[in-house]
Amino acid sequence: DAKTTQPPSMDCAEGRAANLPCNHSTISGNEYVYWYRQIHSQGPQYIIHGLKNNETNEMASLIITEDRKSSTLILPHATLRDTAVYYCIVRGDFGNEKLTFGTGTRLTIIP
Amino acid sequence: KAGVTQTPRYLIKTRGQQVTLSCSPISGHRSVSWYQQTPGQGLQFLFEYFSETQRNKGNFPGRFSGRQFSNSRSEMNVSTLELGDSALYLCASSLKTGYGIGELFFGEGSRLTVL
Repeated sequence: DAKTTQPPSMDCAEGRAANLPCNHSTISGNEYVYWYRQIHSQGPQYIIHGLKNNETNEMASLIITEDRKSSTLILPHATLRDTAVYYCIVRGDFGNEKLTFGTGTRLTIIP
Repeated sequence: KAGVTQTPRYLIKTRGQQVTLSCSPISGHRSVSWYQQTPGQGLQFLFEYFSETQRNKGNFPGRFSGRQFSNSRSEMNVSTLELGDSALYLCASSLKTGYGIGELFFGEGSRLTVL
């Protein structure tokens, strides 16, 4: 079973920041939070990951709460190309490449 | 740098047949994992190979098998196909060298239709 809970869908206006929440209340100390997205009919694309500190890269920012039970993916200036299903995944660091995908959040960017 | 390449991209089979799907990882990547995606079950982990050894396996029947070659290319095979095996099969590779965590890079997938 997926260890994360995400809203099934969200809308965001083009040019605005898209904030996608994720709950992972059972996360353990050695598990990372990963975000992937999947644009229709393509393979999932890595976005960002973090352990306990906030992270930022050229695509997005990841804000993890102090208790690590939830996180928020921020797309600072959403474009139409950001319309996709976004998956929040928790994953251990012990060499396990098995990702448990939940149902994700379908983000629609509105022109 | 070439991405993960999967072949064939589309194929149609009939029940009872078998199918082999191929995955060429990103150059230098030694870990290859496979996922099945269906509208009903979403993305589900099949198995992972590292240095020609299967390291993890998901909850799929024995009809689903795989292997990895010395050049890290991987194949998966599904025997005695069932209608429910119709899905998008995704391959992902990562640059992990041992037990470190690695970012996964996915291919475009092979879309299998079983009639």
